[in-house]
Amino acid sequence: NAGVTQTPKFRILKIGQSMTLQCTQDMNHNYMYWYRQDPGMGLKLIYYSVGAGITDKGEVPNGYNVSRSTTEDFPLRLELAAPSQTSVYFCATRDGTVFSGANVLTFGAGSRLTVL
Amino acid sequence: AQSVTQLDSHVSVSEGTPVLLRCNYSSSYSPSLFWYVQHPNKGLQLLLKYTSAATLVKGINGFEAEFKKSETSFHLTKPSAHMSDAAEYFCVVSEWELTGGGNKLTFGTGTQLKVEL
Repeated sequence: NAGVTQTPKFRILKIGQSMTLQCTQDMNHNYMYWYRQDPGMGLKLIYYSVGAGITDKGEVPNGYNVSRSTTEDFPLRLELAAPSQTSVYFCATRDGTVFSGANVLTFGAGSRLTVL
Repeated sequence: AQSVTQLDSHVSVSEGTPVLLRCNYSSSYSPSLFWYVQHPNKGLQLLLKYTSAATLVKGINGFEAEFKKSETSFHLTKPSAHMSDAAEYFCVVSEWELTGGGNKLTFGTGTQLKVEL
């Protein structure tokens, strides 16, 4: 049971390049999230999705785009990469069938991106 | 508005001694509270959660946390530290809301736990 799979694990980009971080889950969870983690800052929400075809912005969406064409996949697109986007990115999922603030997030292993 | 404060960015203990990682929160409603652990180059893993049932919550690997509403605290403890406990720990507060993906989650800035021989 793979859970949440993120690729690539590491990537170095030049300023202005674009790339897509992939996230795939096999738990049939409705809710999916993208976070970025910067040293000493905790995790900040970039985008989230409550189901296929539905996405919305989080706290720090600028410079990113997402899509959700299937339940399983939630790719994060970086357009015109900037040094400020150097970070570790985490994809997470949550079972949205129960309306509760106590539902637990399941995280992927992360993708470390460096923009030079 | 909810917020989380982890009072120590780094904690260092000797193996076999108690661990205390401190977390204070603020929330407009009755929140759910979580502790997650992150080992180097890994994703976050749930340690334990509080969901308005018992105030003393037991988690994996011998960790536990006590919800104290009067002190707005949710400190994480373990009686005896092991080398494998060395990791970063995040306190998270969650409130249910209709937007924001159903949960509004706020992460603390993390506490790095070092365990020495």
